[in-house]
Amino acid sequence: NAGVTQTPKFRILKIGQSMTLQCTQDMNHNYMYWYRQDPGMGLKLIYYSVGAGITDKGEVPNGYNVSRSTTEDFPLRLELAAPSQTSVYFCASSYPLRGPSSYEQYFGPGTRLTVT
Amino acid sequence: DAKTTQPPSMDCAEGRAANLPCNHSTISGNEYVYWYRQIHSQGPQYIIHGLKNNETNEMASLIITEDRKSSTLILPHATLRDTAVYYCIVRVEGGTSYGKLTFGQGTILTVHP
Repeated sequence: NAGVTQTPKFRILKIGQSMTLQCTQDMNHNYMYWYRQDPGMGLKLIYYSVGAGITDKGEVPNGYNVSRSTTEDFPLRLELAAPSQTSVYFCASSYPLRGPSSYEQYFGPGTRLTVT
Repeated sequence: DAKTTQPPSMDCAEGRAANLPCNHSTISGNEYVYWYRQIHSQGPQYIIHGLKNNETNEMASLIITEDRKSSTLILPHATLRDTAVYYCIVRVEGGTSYGKLTFGQGTILTVHP
């Protein structure tokens, strides 16, 4: 198992550009999540998905879009990048069953994004 | 979700036990205590969770007080590789929570040689 993989590892964007952060998991997890982490801060939930075709907003969704067409993939789209979106982005997935195990999340290595 | 309070930083000597406290005085009966850690520049890593009984796994032990208002994560023999930010998270199980986690500032644990 590769676990949760994210691409790219690093990216520099100019203001107003768009990009898609890729996330793939090979553990057959139904639940997937996108978090962002600003320097010195904890992680904040952007979007999450409980299965293919089902997504919902987290704490900080503005400026982002997601889709979930397959169980494995959960891409995060940034439209019109702004300096405030400079952050480290983490994708995570968790077990499909409800209950305490659904909180045992597996995280990817992160994408470090700079918007200038 | 119950709010958690953790000290911003702690130090520990290599080979000694690291005891990381977490206060969650407003925890309700169906909320679990979860611990994650984040080693520098990496994604967070699940450590352990519990409801009211003490729990132990290969990484750590979790001690929850009888009134459930606080807990302690114990790393029995800390190594330099345990230097990380440790997050204590309280979440309700089931319903529409869908496994979402809320991360606070955590405790920066530094293990010294």
